[in-house]
Amino acid sequence: DADVTQTPRNRITKTGKRIMLECSQTKGHDRMYWYRQDPGLGLRLIYYSFDVKDINKGEISDGYSVSRQAQAKFSLSLESAIPNQTALYFCATSASSSYEQYFGPGTRLTVT
Amino acid sequence: AQSVAQPEDQVNVAEGNPLTVKCTYSVSGNPYLFWYVQYPNRGLQFLLKYITGDNLVKGSYGFEAEFNKSQTSFHLKKPSALVSDSALYFCAVRPRDNYGQNFVFGPGTRLSVLP
Repeated sequence: DADVTQTPRNRITKTGKRIMLECSQTKGHDRMYWYRQDPGLGLRLIYYSFDVKDINKGEISDGYSVSRQAQAKFSLSLESAIPNQTALYFCATSASSSYEQYFGPGTRLTVT
Repeated sequence: AQSVAQPEDQVNVAEGNPLTVKCTYSVSGNPYLFWYVQYPNRGLQFLLKYITGDNLVKGSYGFEAEFNKSQTSFHLKKPSALVSDSALYFCAVRPRDNYGQNFVFGPGTRLSVLP
């Protein structure tokens, strides 16, 4: 969905490095989410934010942190990357008035 | 614990035949129900949702889904499959009373439509 963009699209990094994944949206939605996708496990929620001052942990937040710099921007950081964080990461947005979420194209992260 | 099951990892169907991708869930209350599709190297795209009302909901690209409360199922269907429907399909639920608006996703079902 072109309204939700993620950078970078692909990233290879080494164990112990700090890395930031960025998400921007032009949909005007107030709610933003970070998920990771692993084969056979579906999507699991890492963090979510209902507005700039509201950040919440999801199902698998350990090893991750987030920053909501503006309504349109939500970044995910791995402070010290480890190989089992190798996954596909998705950002999503939703409006408080609607039910469904809209997803970015994903970032494929490989930690060696 | 809340969970969503998609009992088939893979569904194969011939082009022009009807298709069904199954989803069952274990979530308290009456959740909102969704289907998403993921094409290679793309994010998830919203297909359809069930919020309330008619048990048969229609969505994008000719897909529809049938909600069955007694069986806690929300199967995705299409009367005539296209090769271009080949993709990974995810069922998702969101508890109706969950302030967190947290979705629970199934593991995904890979649909292959054979020409």
